[in-house]
Amino acid sequence: DAGVTQSPTHLIKTRGQQVTLRCSPKSGHDTVSWYQQALGQGPQFIFQYYEEEERQRGNFPDRFSGHQFPNYSSELNVNALLLGDSALYLCASSFGQGSNGYTFGSGTRLTVV
Amino acid sequence: AQKITQTQPGMFVQEKEAVTLDCTYDTSDQSYGLFWYKQPSSGEMIFLIYQGSYDEQNATEGRYSLNFQKARKSANLVISASQLGDSAMYFCAMREGRGYKLSFGAGTTVTVRA
Repeated sequence: DAGVTQSPTHLIKTRGQQVTLRCSPKSGHDTVSWYQQALGQGPQFIFQYYEEEERQRGNFPDRFSGHQFPNYSSELNVNALLLGDSALYLCASSFGQGSNGYTFGSGTRLTVV
Repeated sequence: AQKITQTQPGMFVQEKEAVTLDCTYDTSDQSYGLFWYKQPSSGEMIFLIYQGSYDEQNATEGRYSLNFQKARKSANLVISASQLGDSAMYFCAMREGRGYKLSFGAGTTVTVRA
């Protein structure tokens, strides 16, 4: 039973560029959440997708956008990258609304230079 | 205001001993859930234990137990019989009411010594 799969595992981008991170949820899960974890800090909630719609968003600028596909997989897009966007980006999947059964992936380590 | 406060940046524990990780939370909701996650150097967040605000008994999962004191708004994690593989970062998190996001604390690094 595959868990949450994220790709790529590591990524280096230049300031001003755009990046797309991908997440495949755990089998049977239909909800995907994205978190940003800066070095030495706890994860911060970016947004959550359910039924292909964003249903809650954290305190992140519009440069951060996402998408959920009919197969429940998801993408996180970040435009106009800043040095401060360097972080570990974690994807978490769950089933249904208000679930407490979150499963996290190993994350994508993004470095902006 | 911080939703989750973890005041211990780092802790050392001897193998086979127990360790308590502190977590206090702030919410005005009556319904909420509290989580503990382990994050090894690989980066993956591993779920350890969950406590609902209406649960009357403290949650336990194997060597992990949660000391839930609702009036004090604390949810401390106790790891019994520490193992070398327990060395990792530990995060306390909360989901409030009908919200969907988890709010995390800053984490506590645990190092288990042989």
